[in-house]
Amino acid sequence: DTAVSQTPKYLVTQMGNDKSIKCEQNLGHDTMYWYKQDSKKFLKIMFSYNNKELIINETVPNRFSPKSPDKAHLNLHINSLELGDSAVYFCASSQVGSRRSSYNEQFFGPGTRLTVL
Amino acid sequence: DAKTTQPPSMDCAEGRAANLPCNHSTISGNEYVYWYRQIHSQGPQYIIHGLKNNETNEMASLIITEDRKSSTLILPHATLRDTAVYYCIVRVDSGGYQKVTFGTGTKLQVIP
Repeated sequence: DTAVSQTPKYLVTQMGNDKSIKCEQNLGHDTMYWYKQDSKKFLKIMFSYNNKELIINETVPNRFSPKSPDKAHLNLHINSLELGDSAVYFCASSQVGSRRSSYNEQFFGPGTRLTVL
Repeated sequence: DAKTTQPPSMDCAEGRAANLPCNHSTISGNEYVYWYRQIHSQGPQYIIHGLKNNETNEMASLIITEDRKSSTLILPHATLRDTAVYYCIVRVDSGGYQKVTFGTGTKLQVIP
């Protein structure tokens, strides 16, 4: 069974369009993340949600809006897509619970390759 | 921002031990060192983490120097499937939660 899944795997769209990427985890984790990996392979965190509450929000344009309908899902909606949004987007999850000071392994999804034309 | 320094690339013969170094000279006393790897076109995969003691699991060993300013990830018997980019990371706190910040990593090529 897939632990962290993302759909779609590939997404090709025109500039200016609005698109969504879905993420689901079946690990029972309480924390989910979105990362962006650009063409230079830098992997940067964008958002993190704990129990559907936003806890990490990096300097990301407000065209990007994460939505967490429940603990198992964290979707990423992107408005007015730009060429620079082309990248691979990874979803991840971990179990943080009440022990915020201790590290918890993050499990990553397979990634969604977004190409903006 | 990444707080680690790694060589950009390394080669290792199949079956030999792969030793991947990492410098983290500004690490704080309560910060852990983590290692992830990313096989081509896949999501990153957790390998191991440690604070100050050496650690070993089924995938690798982590050796941390006494002053904690550097560490080495050891893959005891590298296989072709270990070819990947290996990231050494130190924890960054963000409001009590950990923020995993990836650097540029080391691209390990295992050679037959």
